[in-house]
Amino acid sequence: KNEVEQSPQNLTAQEGEFITINCSYSVGISALHWLQQHPGGGIVSLFMLSSGKKKHGRLIATINIQEKHSSLHITASHPRDSAVYICAVSPQGAQKLVFGQGTRLTINP
Amino acid sequence: EPEVTQTPSHQVTQMGQEVILRCVPISNHLYFYWYRQILGQKVEFLVSFYNNEISEKSEIFDDQFSVERPDGSNFTLKIRSTKLEDSAMYFCASSVDVDWGYTFGSGTRLTVV
Repeated sequence: KNEVEQSPQNLTAQEGEFITINCSYSVGISALHWLQQHPGGGIVSLFMLSSGKKKHGRLIATINIQEKHSSLHITASHPRDSAVYICAVSPQGAQKLVFGQGTRLTINP
Repeated sequence: EPEVTQTPSHQVTQMGQEVILRCVPISNHLYFYWYRQILGQKVEFLVSFYNNEISEKSEIFDDQFSVERPDGSNFTLKIRSTKLEDSAMYFCASSVDVDWGYTFGSGTRLTVV
């Protein structure tokens, strides 16, 4: 069983739609990370959170530690948001990230 | 904004050859990492490095792999005798502390033929 599961695996939406990507994990963590990977392959860190909610521009990340669940929301989605969004966790006591398989998001104009 | 720099961006090598992937982490970061992503698969942890020694490694990181910080700025990953299955994108990352955010390099695409 994967330690980090994301849903959906693929998501296609129209420009302007509200997007939600979900992440569930099965281990105790010190933090959860949301990352973005563009077609060229580079990985960009979006959020690191250990409780509550964080917002940056049109992106919002939430985490529920008790339920071991996090969501990434994108408001007013735009074609430039098209990318793979990856959830990764820092297991307690470990010096590494454990990655989910990613969610491929396509926003059509 | 500070960046993690990786070179080369793409390397093609023959099976059995040694390769060295190079990374320059952010200067005030203390923790350094290598990850890899086989095409179409998720990113996997290889090794973390702190205080000039390996602090954690995965099952993937066997005797064929080694890491080094030779001069206080570069951080290298060496694969001694490459196999076809080593073909992947290799990402270097660094962080100030283990519970801080990570900065990733843009990756080195290694193709073993």
